[in-house]
Amino acid sequence: GQNIDQPTEMTATEGAIVQINCTYQTSGFNGLFWYQQHAGEAPTFLSYNVLDGLEEKGRFSSFLSRSKGYSYLLLKELQMKDSASYLCAVLDSNYQLIWGAGTKLIIKP
Amino acid sequence: ETGVTQTPRHLVMGMTNKKSLKCEQHLGHNAMYWYKQSAKKPLELMFVYNFKEQTENNSVPSRFSPECPNSSHLFLHLHTLQPEDSALYLCASSHGLAEDNEQFFGPGTRLTVL
Repeated sequence: GQNIDQPTEMTATEGAIVQINCTYQTSGFNGLFWYQQHAGEAPTFLSYNVLDGLEEKGRFSSFLSRSKGYSYLLLKELQMKDSASYLCAVLDSNYQLIWGAGTKLIIKP
Repeated sequence: ETGVTQTPRHLVMGMTNKKSLKCEQHLGHNAMYWYKQSAKKPLELMFVYNFKEQTENNSVPSRFSPECPNSSHLFLHLHTLQPEDSALYLCASSHGLAEDNEQFFGPGTRLTVL
């Protein structure tokens, strides 16, 4: 079966760095997405990786290792507004997005 | 604002009611999606439409009936729902179905079935 694993919840301190991991087992791979979802709001796109390596976009970076079936989202200089759920999703061989359950990130002052 | 709107934002209905959820996208996209989001569970893809044609129906019960009259509008018709259908229903759209199909989500409809 297809499976996406990510931690249920993480806590970090304002101004610090946090890494949210995602491991996947899917039938085929056509890219991996990270989305941010604030409570009661729509998920919004953060990043897309299809090649191995690190993609940096401001305070957020996303890493992919296809051979290991692994990705992480790195958030630097954490701000209170970064408190949200972070969703990992893989585009499989049928171009369907397979979603993880999301990681709830709690930022403390 | 993501360019995808959904109405209503909240809906409470009895098991014998019939209601419809509406989604509209203003992005010129060709693909539209219905998802169900339950607490602490992954997003469940329900239906996919590409150029108004349904391409996916992931074993969704027949009490959920989608309709896509054009590429900008998507409906989800509900009838004789069960309490376990209570969830957040999200609509999304994308340019297409292939690589890099970044999906833009609406704010969702919070559905409660009594």
